[in-house]
Amino acid sequence: AQTVTQSQPEMSVQEAETVTLSCTYDTSESDYYLFWYKQPPSRQMILVIRQEAYKQQNATENRFSVNFQKAAKSFSLKISDSQLGDAAMYFCAYRSKQGGKLIFGQGTELSVKP
Amino acid sequence: GAVVSQHPSRVICKSGTSVKIECRSLDFQATTMFWYRQFPKQSLMLMATSNEGSKATYEQGVEKDKFLINHASLTLSTLTVTSAHPEDSSFYICSASKAGTITEAFFGQGTRLTVV
Repeated sequence: AQTVTQSQPEMSVQEAETVTLSCTYDTSESDYYLFWYKQPPSRQMILVIRQEAYKQQNATENRFSVNFQKAAKSFSLKISDSQLGDAAMYFCAYRSKQGGKLIFGQGTELSVKP
Repeated sequence: GAVVSQHPSRVICKSGTSVKIECRSLDFQATTMFWYRQFPKQSLMLMATSNEGSKATYEQGVEKDKFLINHASLTLSTLTVTSAHPEDSSFYICSASKAGTITEAFFGQGTRLTVV
């Protein structure tokens, strides 16, 4: 069975600074998808970034980028130039290539200090 | 875009009554929808997978008779909490993926259920 672990329950960053959120996972599959979702106080889940395991290049979406280390089963999220609106819960998630359910990590609550 | 609408966003019901939550994919067809429960400051816990035209698949520990799921069309799944009790109070979220794709899931706004 696949598992996703986020070992940082809370993180804090100064506005305009850079922060990295950690995520590790365990799977025996060779091809899969990894995601970072953001859940602001409204509790609406928002997709931040997606990575396909067979792609070696790290995904990037504006100020958000990932460091995907397949051999180490690590998938960290870097947020550059942090903004107040980035404050939220961030969830790392795994999905098999065959589809099916998303497997979520425990979440990391990010606060941004002005 | 891909929009999933969940209704109602908030509901208060009396203990012993039933409440229905709807999850609609507005601009795409979804053969599979997922229902999650989330407690404050915690992760999403998958309750069941809803498949259009067939019975839902429930996760271990989730009572099928209490949480009734119906997925009657490619755009609508419903979760009915039957004989609700205060311990059923929680935040419920649905998600859906576009038929024929498995990459990402789109989430509804969630429903905050309070049982008094």
